[in-house]
Amino acid sequence: AQKVTQAQTEISVVEKEDVTLDCVYETRDTTYYLFWYKQPPSGELVFLIRRNSFDEQNEISGRYSWNFQKSTSSFNFTITASQVVDSAVYFCALIPYYQGGSEKLVFGKGTKLTVNP
Amino acid sequence: NAGVTQTPKFQVLKTGQSMTLQCAQDMNHNSMYWYRQDPGMGLRLIYYSASEGTTDKGEVPNGYNVSRLNKREFSLRLESAAPSQTSVYFCASPSGGARIDTQYFGPGTRLTVL
Repeated sequence: AQKVTQAQTEISVVEKEDVTLDCVYETRDTTYYLFWYKQPPSGELVFLIRRNSFDEQNEISGRYSWNFQKSTSSFNFTITASQVVDSAVYFCALIPYYQGGSEKLVFGKGTKLTVNP
Repeated sequence: NAGVTQTPKFQVLKTGQSMTLQCAQDMNHNSMYWYRQDPGMGLRLIYYSASEGTTDKGEVPNGYNVSRLNKREFSLRLESAAPSQTSVYFCASPSGGARIDTQYFGPGTRLTVL
């Protein structure tokens, strides 16, 4: 069975604090893909990053960084020096490689991040 | 997100009414998806279409039907709306030519069933 767990339902920080959003996944497949999406208060879903299971290299994009660890089945997301504009719901998602021909996303329930000024 | 459009953006229905949500993509990809988002539940797959002319059930298909009209368009129909179908509905389509592509989402349809 495929499953994504985001244990933190809500996080509240003060601007300029660093914050880490946790994501733990379960899959029996050896090949899979992991994603993070952002949903700001306006409601749209914005793609942030994609990582495949063979690439454990951490990634940094500006204030955003991602830590992928296969040994703990985790794909955590860190925002450095958070800003009010980072306030959103963040979703972690998984696509197992083989699904009979279609790439169905399995989502976690999301973490709502509030950054206070 | 550029490439996936949905109509309408908002809709209020009475129990028992029917409606069709429209989705179109211009990314020239074979696959299209319908998800629903409920508070505290993340997004769950309703139906998907791996290619023109094919559709398959996802995690929560009951109460819905779909039509893959052509490569660009994938519609979701509620034949007899129920309050439990109050939700935000997202259509998605991948972009790219890889085996597993990134899915991009439309702006969503916020549906309320009274």
